[in-house]
Amino acid sequence: ETGVTQTPRHLVMGMTNKKSLKCEQHLGHNAMYWYKQSAKKPLELMFVYSLEERVENNSVPSRFSPECPNSSHLFLHLHTLQPEDSALYLCASSQDGQGAQQYFGPGTRLTVT
Amino acid sequence: GDSVTQMEGPVTLSEEAFLTINCTYTATGYPSLFWYVQYPGEGLQLLLKATKADDKGSNKGFEATYRKETTSFHLEKGSVQVSDSAVYFCALFNYGGATNKLIFGTGTLLAVQP
Repeated sequence: ETGVTQTPRHLVMGMTNKKSLKCEQHLGHNAMYWYKQSAKKPLELMFVYSLEERVENNSVPSRFSPECPNSSHLFLHLHTLQPEDSALYLCASSQDGQGAQQYFGPGTRLTVT
Repeated sequence: GDSVTQMEGPVTLSEEAFLTINCTYTATGYPSLFWYVQYPGEGLQLLLKATKADDKGSNKGFEATYRKETTSFHLEKGSVQVSDSAVYFCALFNYGGATNKLIFGTGTLLAVQP
């Protein structure tokens, strides 16, 4: 596999469920990102990891919990979500934590019922 | 703070028509500017970039020129194809700025009809 992959591609979950999104990058990059993409809104940066250390957390609710076990993998753990959390969640990577040139995965379409 | 403003979509064109998608920005200092494209069902891909004033980024027939005097980075293509149908995002990265991260516009949907 090449580039940035995300699983699952689609996820439907109830508000009391716990689920995780997975992202894997095969580019040898050192930084990884989670974004939220909602209709009619700019992409929202949620978390940034550089060399497996979290370097940015943009006031994201605690029901979203990121994990970066190594520079190739990034997870987003979800619990007790709200319907307004339904969105496309995009993972990206870059060579370093100041990466303007980011490479995106295809996203996970999340629906919270 | 830094921001990007794009023209509202959708933009609907016939094949071989000329395309312009407007983008203006607000930023301190000298940001780098980008256009990303998102094809249906996919993530964003970098389309082109420009890192200083008067630079022209180009790729796949698309062009954009970094205009500091008008704080703009409009995307153009002389002859669009059906395969260009996608959402286009203008973005800036302000190295050393207050937010040291990519700032995106809201995206502009382009639909090209045969």
